[in-house]
Amino acid sequence: GENVEQHPSTLSVQEGDSAVIKCTYSDSASNYFPWYKQELGKGPQLIIDIRSNVGEKKDQRIAVTLNKTAKHFSLHITETQPEDSAVYFCAARGRGAGSYQLTFGKGTKLSVIP
Amino acid sequence: EPEVTQTPSHQVTQMGQEVILRCVPISNHLYFYWYRQILGQKVEFLVSFYNNEISEKSEIFDDQFSVERPDGSNFTLKIRSTKLEDSAMYFCASSEVQLSYEQYFGPGTRLTVT
Repeated sequence: GENVEQHPSTLSVQEGDSAVIKCTYSDSASNYFPWYKQELGKGPQLIIDIRSNVGEKKDQRIAVTLNKTAKHFSLHITETQPEDSAVYFCAARGRGAGSYQLTFGKGTKLSVIP
Repeated sequence: EPEVTQTPSHQVTQMGQEVILRCVPISNHLYFYWYRQILGQKVEFLVSFYNNEISEKSEIFDDQFSVERPDGSNFTLKIRSTKLEDSAMYFCASSEVQLSYEQYFGPGTRLTVT
């Protein structure tokens, strides 16, 4: 089955700096890669996603890049703010068409220091 | 903005007891999922459900687990005889249609088995 690795497990940045979180996946048939933000005591919140026919997607301060050849994708947060502090999970939709389950990475705890 | 809701937020039960976790998916969504997250670990897929039947299930989803959509709004996860290792956060998620990739998660139910 699909396996998703995520790095780093923790990340501390100064407010205003950029943060980058990286994930790799194993199943070349995976075609959908969402990123979720989880705040303490809450469920994962979908913040951005990318499909395999696109190399990059941006939404305000958040961007995601996908390299299908290398099977890795990354989340970029620019101009970080204290409210960006949370655990971020990457995920991949494995086994292509007909499979809707998401396989998650282990998460990255992002701390933005004011 | 529509959201997935889950009840209860915290359930404490004794080993061997049955528990039912409840979810109300977003109203126009047709696909429903259960995931779990053991403390400090990654979010893991349990089961997906569409058109009143299970679409996919993981190895975790054994005979002790069942899902049901008892009416037009609720989606439930039943654990027949709970074990200590069932202690986890259980998340319900829903997505709109078959070709819709986005899955929206509820806030979760923390299950504690003593």
